[in-house]
Amino acid sequence: AQTVTQSQPEMSVQEAETVTLSCTYDTSESDYYLFWYKQPPSRQMILVIRQEAYKQQNATENRFSVNFQKAAKSFSLKISDSQLGDAAMYFCAYYAPGDDKIIFGKGTRLHILP
Amino acid sequence: GAVVSQHPSRVICKSGTSVKIECRSLDFQATTMFWYRQFPKQSLMLMATSNEGSKATYEQGVEKDKFLINHASLTLSTLTVTSAHPEDSSFYICSARDPALLRGNTIYFGEGSWLTVV
Repeated sequence: AQTVTQSQPEMSVQEAETVTLSCTYDTSESDYYLFWYKQPPSRQMILVIRQEAYKQQNATENRFSVNFQKAAKSFSLKISDSQLGDAAMYFCAYYAPGDDKIIFGKGTRLHILP
Repeated sequence: GAVVSQHPSRVICKSGTSVKIECRSLDFQATTMFWYRQFPKQSLMLMATSNEGSKATYEQGVEKDKFLINHASLTLSTLTVTSAHPEDSSFYICSARDPALLRGNTIYFGEGSWLTVV
């Protein structure tokens, strides 16, 4: 069965610094997608970044980038120049068209220190 | 703007009554929608996968007679909590998969619904 593991329940980073959130997954599928979602106190799930498994190039969205290591089944999120608005719960997620369901990690709560 | 809309955002109902939550995809046709429940300080728990024109697929441990899911059109799925009890109070959130090739099976979420059963 597919699993997604986030080993850091909480992390803190100083404002303007860089932080990396870890995520590993397990799958036997070859066609899948990986996502990072942000959930602020409003509970709205906001898509931060998406990576297709067949793409070797790491996805980047402004201050957010991923380090996708397919062989190691690792998908970490790097947030550069951290801002107070980045404080939220971050969920790593996996989706395979063959399963047609999205699986979430347990989340990492990110605190931004002013 | 939002591509998936969920309504109502908050609902209070009396114990024993039923309540319906709607999930609409606004910018695309969603053959598949997902319903989740989120307990405080926990991750999203998949309850069921809603398929347009067919029966929903429920996850293990989710009572299908209690949580009725209907996906009558390509843009609307509904979750009805029947005979609600206080333990059903929770945050429910839906998502829809955009199958468009250019958007690579991206999954968008509704705003979520807070259900309080009194």
